[in-house]
Amino acid sequence: GDSVTQMEGPVTLSEEAFLTINCTYTATGYPSLFWYVQYPGEGLQLLLKATKADDKGSNKGFEATYRKETTSFHLEKGSVQVSDSAVYFCALSDKNYGQNFVFGPGTRLSVLP
Amino acid sequence: NAGVTQTPKFRVLKTGQSMTLLCAQDMNHEYMYWYRQDPGMGLRLIHYSVGEGTTAKGEVPDGYNVSRLKKQNFLLGLESAAPSQTSVYFCASSVTGAGNQPQHFGDGTRLSIL
Repeated sequence: GDSVTQMEGPVTLSEEAFLTINCTYTATGYPSLFWYVQYPGEGLQLLLKATKADDKGSNKGFEATYRKETTSFHLEKGSVQVSDSAVYFCALSDKNYGQNFVFGPGTRLSVLP
Repeated sequence: NAGVTQTPKFRVLKTGQSMTLLCAQDMNHEYMYWYRQDPGMGLRLIHYSVGEGTTAKGEVPDGYNVSRLKKQNFLLGLESAAPSQTSVYFCASSVTGAGNQPQHFGDGTRLSIL
């Protein structure tokens, strides 16, 4: 079945450092890809998405590009802030069956001042 | 801007007790979902609904029941709680079931079974 693999956390960075969180997927179909962020005590919030190969999703300085050839959707940000500390989830959804959302295990990011 | 609202936010139960978690959305979404979140396992789908009056099993449905009597509400029931059901439960909704539609989440219910 479909699956999502994320880099192990936690990730600890200093403020203004460059962030990369790796995400790779396996899927039988042609999925849409998402990044969600979860702040402490809250639910998941959509951060960005991409629905076809070579699409780049971006939001709040975060970016991720849908790479079909490497089945990847790595999350990047050029300069992280303390307020970016959260858990980040990569997810995929089959285009025809949206209820089949598959989430990665999450990567906890801590940004130190 | 309520979005998806879950009640209660916290609950402690004893083994064998029953309870119902309520999810309400005000976005007129067709699809609704219940997930559980456990450390290191991401989110796992318990049950979902594709519209009022419908329900379907997800990845981990055992020990749970659901109902969608009104479009805006999706209830998750535990008939006889077990310690293995200690988890954080999230409700979500989406406009349709199309794969490119994101899901919108509530803030979660933290449930402990003693």
